[in-house]
Amino acid sequence: EVQLVESGGGLVKPGGSLRLSCAASGFTFSNAWMSWVRQAPGKGLEWVGRIKIKIHGGTIDYAAPVKGRFTISRDDSKNMLYLQMNSLKTEDTAVYYCVTGVGFTEVDYWGQGTLVTVSS
Amino acid sequence: DIVMTQTPLSSPVTLGQPASISCRSSQSLVYSDGNTYLNWLQQRPGQPPRLLIYKISNRFSGVPDRFSGSGAGTDFTLKISRVEAEDVGVYYCMQATQSVTFGGGTKVEIK
Repeated sequence: EVQLVESGGGLVKPGGSLRLSCAASGFTFSNAWMSWVRQAPGKGLEWVGRIKIKIHGGTIDYAAPVKGRFTISRDDSKNMLYLQMNSLKTEDTAVYYCVTGVGFTEVDYWGQGTLVTVSS
Repeated sequence: DIVMTQTPLSSPVTLGQPASISCRSSQSLVYSDGNTYLNWLQQRPGQPPRLLIYKISNRFSGVPDRFSGSGAGTDFTLKISRVEAEDVGVYYCMQATQSVTFGGGTKVEIK
């Protein structure tokens, strides 16, 4: 069974930093593209970025609103995905989902999400 | 960026009756490999999204056959043949042909 468990969310002041983690199990992590998608309270879904697998170059892509502030990384030896968020803004307040594709799309499975609140 | 536009915003439906959601993209979603990376997701209240349909019309594992997807190019449709109570939620179309973008969502509720 595919499981994605996010952690690291919380309350942070504007300009601050936070690091989210996602523990993956139930599939071959090193063969899966991994993504972060966020959802502001009461709003729709917004793609944050993705990291491809090594044989696809390990390319990392970001959405425009987070480029230069957020960094996605992965540790295939630990089956872990990370999202380092710097220079946080109030508009970054959202539930952050860890998402994986295991062969059908890049959004086959979603974690339960972790809430990040940016407020003074 | 490719913009995804969903209609309607809200769809009140009688139990057992059909529902239909439209999604239009600002440019063709046909990728260079010939595939069209258009997916549909469901988000029930208080739950994370889950994949329903991928590449226009393929049902994901465990998805009931009352859900179907169709379309081509820039115009796509998700249909629920007979709405059940568990289908209440927000439905999103999503393209992964050029980066990733989501539609704004369509709320399905029971009349």
